[in-house]
Amino acid sequence: DTAVSQTPKYLVTQMGNDKSIKCEQNLGHDTMYWYKQDSKKFLKIMFSYNNKELIINETVPNRFSPKSPDKAHLNLHINSLELGDSAVYFCASSQGHQDQPQHFGDGTRLSIL
Amino acid sequence: GENVEQHPSTLSVQEGDSAVIKCTYSDSASNYFPWYKQELGKRPQLIIDIRSNVGEKKDQRIAVTLNKTAKHFSLHITETQPEDSAVYFCAAPRQNFVFGPGTRLSVLP
Repeated sequence: DTAVSQTPKYLVTQMGNDKSIKCEQNLGHDTMYWYKQDSKKFLKIMFSYNNKELIINETVPNRFSPKSPDKAHLNLHINSLELGDSAVYFCASSQGHQDQPQHFGDGTRLSIL
Repeated sequence: GENVEQHPSTLSVQEGDSAVIKCTYSDSASNYFPWYKQELGKRPQLIIDIRSNVGEKKDQRIAVTLNKTAKHFSLHITETQPEDSAVYFCAAPRQNFVFGPGTRLSVLP
């Protein structure tokens, strides 16, 4: 059973479109995250939710909006996609905040044409 | 600041040799120090972590050492094998989950 699952795995779309990436974890964790990994492999946190409450919201454009309907799900909606949004987006989860291992999903590769 | 630095950025070793990667953080209140391994096209996976109440932790060929005074911790891989080739990341979760820039390790047969 996949612990942290993301869909879709690949997303190819045109500039200006709106898209969503879904994430679900079945580990019973209370904290979930979104990371962006660019072509140079830098992993940068975007958002973190603890028990459905936003606890980290790094400097990302407000075109990116996370939504957590319950503590097992954290979805990412992106409006008006731009070329610079092309990257791999990873969802992760952990039990607790700041002092526990993070479990990552397999990533969503987003390509903007 | 929230700097997390890693050195070296790339490392090539012969199979069977040892590899050491160093991570430097800035928040002296940090108390949890993980290392993640990311193989090509895969997700990052935790390989070892250490908490601030110990100075060293070992798991088979992998070890992590912590120097809280100097604010750095290091990953040690002994008897390297080709499957150890990957990008290794340290992280400072207390520093807003900042990850280091990564070290690309190549183990040459």
